[in-house]
Amino acid sequence: RKEVEQDPGPFNVPEGATVAFNCTYSNSASQSFFWYRQDCRKEPKLLMSVYSSGNEDGRFTAQLNRASQYISLLIRDSKLSDSATYLCVVNRASKIIFGSGTRLSIRP
Amino acid sequence: EAGVVQSPRYKIIEKKQPVAFWCNPISGHNTLYWYLQNLGQGPELLIRYENEEAVDDSQLPKDRFSAERLKGVDSTLKIQPAELGDSAVYLCASERQTGTGELFFGEGSRLTVL
Repeated sequence: RKEVEQDPGPFNVPEGATVAFNCTYSNSASQSFFWYRQDCRKEPKLLMSVYSSGNEDGRFTAQLNRASQYISLLIRDSKLSDSATYLCVVNRASKIIFGSGTRLSIRP
Repeated sequence: EAGVVQSPRYKIIEKKQPVAFWCNPISGHNTLYWYLQNLGQGPELLIRYENEEAVDDSQLPKDRFSAERLKGVDSTLKIQPAELGDSAVYLCASERQTGTGELFFGEGSRLTVL
């Protein structure tokens, strides 16, 4: 079992829809959490950190549930440019561990 | 600010040949990572440096892979000899300080082993 698990998708949603991804992590010693975005054949880039109280950055909302060991990402009013793979990332003792990613495709 | 620079971008070699990848991190970033990424998978950590010290190389296949970060700046990852299963994208990333979680990646070196 991988330490960070994600539904690989793909999620195929119409422009303007709201879409949510979940991610679970197995090690309770994990300290901090992030979402990265990776476009096709490009390098991963940090999208946002995930804080215990939940946080929002424009159309993106991230939530953390430490008791259940899951992280979520919500995208509202999705745009064509949101099409990408979203990687759930966990920091455990300074080891940065990536999930396999969830593919999102936004259709016109 | 210049980003993380990797070379070569693409490399095609025959199995059993050696190959080396080079990475220059963002200036002032103390922490440097090498990851391997296969198609449809997330990056998998090979080695992490803090300055010139390899602080986590537990997932580096040491029989054929080696890495160095002399002077705590740029780094080289070597595979000798390469196997078919080594075909992947090798990503280098740097972080200003260990533990922030904000990694800046290079464009990667895509290796094909024939």
